[in-house]
Amino acid sequence: DIQMTQSPSSLSASVGDRVTITCRASQSLSSYLNWYQHKPGRAPKLLIYAASSLQSGVPSRFSGIGSGTDFTLTISSLQPEDFATYYCQQTYSSPYTFGQGTKLEIK
Amino acid sequence: EVQLVESGGGLVQPGRSLRLSCAASEFTFHDYAMHWVRQAPGKGLEWVSSISWSSDDIDYADLVKGRFTISRDNAKKSLYLQMNSLRAEDTALYYCARGTFHDAFDIWGQGTMVTVSS
Repeated sequence: DIQMTQSPSSLSASVGDRVTITCRASQSLSSYLNWYQHKPGRAPKLLIYAASSLQSGVPSRFSGIGSGTDFTLTISSLQPEDFATYYCQQTYSSPYTFGQGTKLEIK
Repeated sequence: EVQLVESGGGLVQPGRSLRLSCAASEFTFHDYAMHWVRQAPGKGLEWVSSISWSSDDIDYADLVKGRFTISRDNAKKSLYLQMNSLRAEDTALYYCARGTFHDAFDIWGQGTMVTVSS
């Protein structure tokens, strides 16, 4: 199974900050890497697919980059609605493992 | 509005069974692979099972293989998860999700809670 390791596990930041979350896979994924935002009591939301493609309707302050084993999600200027937990997920091979999550909190 | 709505969750004793359903609306259900993902209390997201549009390709996480069965009825625009021999560790919020051409999960339901306890 492919292991996904996100860092950091938690992060405190302020509105307007630039934030980067990293995700490392235990083997190459090509570009089969997705990013999701999850808020309590809500359905997870797809932000980025195929490592760097912005899902329709997602604000352009979200961006993703990477290939192979190392990937990053960047939020260029944090907005109040961005405080949530973020997950990476590989869909290169089954089981389609998620990272452990990064909880983004208000400083 | 494109939507997925799960149902069928509840409190069940260990060793018993439960069947979850997921109703799709406002999209061509038979064009898409579908997935189940769960989140145990205080934990992260965990992929459970996937089914292709034709039901020809089905896959399970090792933790549920042999106990859970995924299925779909394209005429009814519905996805199912039959869960047998339930264990306490199956306690979670279960989400259904739509799979995209790029193998991401782009539409998710609100989830249905399954609690396995005596």
